[in-house]
Amino acid sequence: KAGVTQTPRYLIKTRGQQVTLSCSPISGHRSVSWYQQTPGQGLQFLFEYFSETQRNKGNFPGRFSGRQFSNSRSEMNVSTLELGDSALYLCASSFPDRGLRGYNEQFFGPGTRLTVL
Amino acid sequence: GDSVTQMEGPVTLSEEAFLTINCTYTATGYPSLFWYVQYPGEGLQLLLKATKADDKGSNKGFEATYRKETTSFHLEKGSVQVSDSAVYFCALSDRGGSEKLVFGKGTKLTVNP
Repeated sequence: KAGVTQTPRYLIKTRGQQVTLSCSPISGHRSVSWYQQTPGQGLQFLFEYFSETQRNKGNFPGRFSGRQFSNSRSEMNVSTLELGDSALYLCASSFPDRGLRGYNEQFFGPGTRLTVL
Repeated sequence: GDSVTQMEGPVTLSEEAFLTINCTYTATGYPSLFWYVQYPGEGLQLLLKATKADDKGSNKGFEATYRKETTSFHLEKGSVQVSDSAVYFCALSDRGGSEKLVFGKGTKLTVNP
């Protein structure tokens, strides 16, 4: 089974531009979450999508947005880029059926490294 | 809100040394607890998990016990290897409808031969 894939793997943008990152979850997974990883703030939750609906959102400005398509693939968009947006953006997918386990294992992609100059 | 605090390191050990990485949490509910590992240039991988008090998660020689009374989930390994060098993250997930994970800041472990 193929893992979570993220494209592109590396991206360089300049301040003020916008960027779109893509995430393809594991086949059959319907929940996709996005995280921002920086040396200073660590891993911070951006948002989660399930069945094309945003189910939860972290504490990020409105410049950060996302969506999910009917095939569960997800994109996140950052508009008006700032230097502080430079980070590794990680996507995670899961099959949302906790059943008796009480949790869903999240499978992470390798991330997209965004550099804002 | 929920939070996770873990020792930030970095931690440097010799091969076959004993490893402990402390992790404590604050949560309003009754969370599930996880340790994730990130190898250089890769995403996160689930190392082990525990979903209720006194559960012991274990994998690849690593262990952690869910201690509700001390709100802790410390990671231990009796004998580390060079291949264990990575960044380790403690995380929690509440039992609501969302898959959101709350992470600690991460602990970088370097194991020297």
